[in-house]
Amino acid sequence: DGGITQSPKYLFRKEGQNVTLSCEQNLNHDAMYWYRQDPGQGLRLIYYSQIVNDFQKGDIAEGYSVSREKKESFPLTVTSAQKNPTAFYLCASGGAAVSSNQPQHFGDGTRLSIL
Amino acid sequence: AQSVTQLGSHVSVSEGALVLLRCNYSSSVPPYLFWYVQYPNQGLQLLLKYTTGATLVKGINGFEAEFKKSETSFHLTKPSAHMSDAAEYFCAVSVNDMRFGAGTRLTVKP
Repeated sequence: DGGITQSPKYLFRKEGQNVTLSCEQNLNHDAMYWYRQDPGQGLRLIYYSQIVNDFQKGDIAEGYSVSREKKESFPLTVTSAQKNPTAFYLCASGGAAVSSNQPQHFGDGTRLSIL
Repeated sequence: AQSVTQLGSHVSVSEGALVLLRCNYSSSVPPYLFWYVQYPNQGLQLLLKYTTGATLVKGINGFEAEFKKSETSFHLTKPSAHMSDAAEYFCAVSVNDMRFGAGTRLTVKP
């Protein structure tokens, strides 16, 4: 079955540590997205990528980094510069353009907490 | 830029009662509109979408939504709530990019 796989499901970060969240899709979608979800705030866009080797900042990119070396993969690194990383992180993929009538397909998320 | 507002962060209904979750959008051009559902510790699943054409859109699990341009609304309804409908629901609008509402948590009482 086609879908999006996020790993790990739970992740703990120590002070000063960078951690990387994995996102893989086999839907053959060009665009991929990372969102942060906090209670009562909906989803906020961190980064998105419309094509391999290209990505753009979303609304809350500070303290995060991404790469898009393969169409299927869009890992997110939460750096030590992100002072409040505790949140639920969702990866999504969708159609060819950011402004699209195609829905986004979501993974099951990674919950990141600080030790 | 487009935006979406969901009225009511929590909605509680009895099993078998009508479900009405409200969504209003702001956009200077005709938008694409979506409703998603999220169960605890899971990602979002698409319920339905409006792109063009018929303004009454039917989705999965008995949900439907009506696009009302004059009211800039896209409210989600279901005639009879089931216990399994308890979840968080997100409205989203797509113009330049996709914007999500803050979500409405639906509780279904037995």
